[in-house]
Parts: sequence; structure tokens; C-alpha cells
Amino acid sequence: GAGVSQSPRYKVAKRGQDVALRCDPISGHVSLFWYQQALGQGPEFLTYFQNEAQLDKSGLPSDRFFAERPEGSVSTLKIQRTQQEDSAVYLCASSSTGTSAYEQYFGPGTRLTVT
Amino acid sequence: AQSVTQLGSHVSVSEGALVLLRCNYSSSVPPYLFWYVQYPNQGLQLLLKYTSAATLVKGINGFEAEFKKSETSFHLTKPSAHMSDAAEYFCAVREGRSQGNLIFGKGTKLSVKP
Repeated sequence: GAGVSQSPRYKVAKRGQDVALRCDPISGHVSLFWYQQALGQGPEFLTYFQNEAQLDKSGLPSDRFFAERPEGSVSTLKIQRTQQEDSAVYLCASSSTGTSAYEQYFGPGTRLTVT
Repeated sequence: AQSVTQLGSHVSVSEGALVLLRCNYSSSVPPYLFWYVQYPNQGLQLLLKYTSAATLVKGINGFEAEFKKSETSFHLTKPSAHMSDAAEYFCAVREGRSQGNLIFGKGTKLSVKP
């Protein structure tokens, strides 16, 4: 079946611009996660949704970062007034309650470059 | 707090040689442990997972990992490396049975020489 998809795959933004990154999780997966992966590093947690409820946003680095999942399916990560330090790959993952380990399935990521 | 340490940011082996990628974790409760692989410009693909059912876990592409509680380790091995194994590998931990986020190590880049 279809996996997690993300769009756009690549985004170049001028410093100060707003960007919106989209994630389509695997159909039926109730949990959705956003991670930020800086160059040469492992992914770092940003935020977590269960259905439409944002249960944990402790990883969002500043109030310029905002995420939503209004209908419990597609999610959007928005970054306002982008800064150079926001340049990274943004990964989305989804998981279901159907397995004991709740393993997460990742999308291909959106590579954001802020110039 | 949970954490993951991957020893060696870069490992190089010859084709056909043993692959050993090291991962140590810290967790206050029995953890769930995962190994993911990332090919260039792609997302992370799950290789295998430890869920307390068995300490030796077999995954895809011939990889396996052994959970050793006394050593707080979850090293990834493959008896014979293939050129297609060249990629970056990430170890990750999550506490207990919750659906919380994963904590990742910094990754180990595996190179395979012909």
C-alpha cells in the first residue's frame, strides 16, 4: 500500500519567508510525528499528534514553528519568518495501534534550505 | 532521560566482511529499540525492532541485533556485507509501551569497499 508522502521534497526559502510543509500519513494511522534532521545528525523530535489532537509539542524550537492536523489525517508544519538555522530535512512519520511496538513509518522528507 | 550513543560515525568494511554497528542506550524502564537505515535523499526504513519478546532480533536484508540488558547495548550485525548495504544507520529508543517519540543516535555511515 501507499507509504507516508511529503511535499514538497525540496524547498528553498529566503530568510524571513514563511513556509508550509505537508505530510500525508499512511491511511488509518492515528499517530503522526514530525522530526527535524540537521545535516550529519540523527532526527530530532518536534511534535506528535494522535488523530487531530497535538499531544506533545515540546520539541518545537521556537514559536515560529506551528503544526496542525485538523481532520486527523494530513498534517502541515508551518515555519514563520524562516532563519538560516531552520535549514534541515523535515521528516514525517506515522504509526498505528495495530502492532505492539508502534513502529513508526517515515516519509522521504522535505529538504528546506534557507538562503 | 533516554539517550542513544552510536560509537563510530563512519565504519568501512570490505564486501563479504562482517558488519558491526554499535549502539548503547540509557533508559529508566525497559525500552523498545529500533534500527533504521537511510539511503541518500530518502526517509528512514525500519530494519528491525526489539520489543522484549526475544533478545536476538532478525530484520530485513540479513541484519540482526542482540539486546543485552547488562551492557545496555543493541548492536547491529550482518555476517557478510554487500555493496548495497552502504547507507547511514540509526539506532533509536522509546521507553515502555507508549506511542511516544523516538530518540535517535547521531548515526553511523557504513561504506562497503569492493
